[in-house]
Amino acid sequence: EDQVTQSPEALRLQEGESSSLNCSYTVSGLRGLFWYRQDPGKGPEFLFTLYSAGEEKEKERLKATLTKKESFLHITAPKPEDSATYLCAVQAQNSGYALNFGKGTSLLVTP
Amino acid sequence: SAVISQKPSRDICQRGTSLTIQCQVDSQVTMMFWYRQQPGQSLTLIATANQGSEATYESGFVIDKFPISRPNLTFSTLTVSNMSPEDSSIYLCSVRQSYEQYFGPGTRLTVT
Repeated sequence: EDQVTQSPEALRLQEGESSSLNCSYTVSGLRGLFWYRQDPGKGPEFLFTLYSAGEEKEKERLKATLTKKESFLHITAPKPEDSATYLCAVQAQNSGYALNFGKGTSLLVTP
Repeated sequence: SAVISQKPSRDICQRGTSLTIQCQVDSQVTMMFWYRQQPGQSLTLIATANQGSEATYESGFVIDKFPISRPNLTFSTLTVSNMSPEDSSIYLCSVRQSYEQYFGPGTRLTVT
């Protein structure tokens, strides 16, 4: 059975303090690994899709990487506006394009 | 990227009633999905709704409880039937476009 585990559950950073969020997964044939940002009361906002081990993608202060077992979302010099819940999801090759989500990491960046 | 709107944004309903949630997309998409997000839980797929075919439901979700319509390539509805407090959740519409998947703002449902 496909499984997605995100850690830590919650993370508090000071502005400018870089860190990484982890997404460990098991899937029977990975089609893609997705990262989303979700603000309170809103739907998930698409950030990245990674398709194969070794792939990296960047957007502003965020960089996502992928291995065969896990993905990292690196946040460089975060700002308070980066505070949100970050969700990871995997899409299996036999899933019919359904996404299997982790529970998310709640990030708080303080000034 | 696709822009998705949902109606209503939130509602409070009584036990035993039904609510229909609408999802509108600003472009034509083949694949649409309905997810549920319960407090403290992961997003869970309810069903996949492709235009021109019957919706496909995930384990634990049945058509009688969550009937779905997909009349065209830009619109879908999800009905939550005979509601109970356990149905209190956020319901999210999602579409696949250009190998990526986008979500609507969600409908926050509270059942009393």
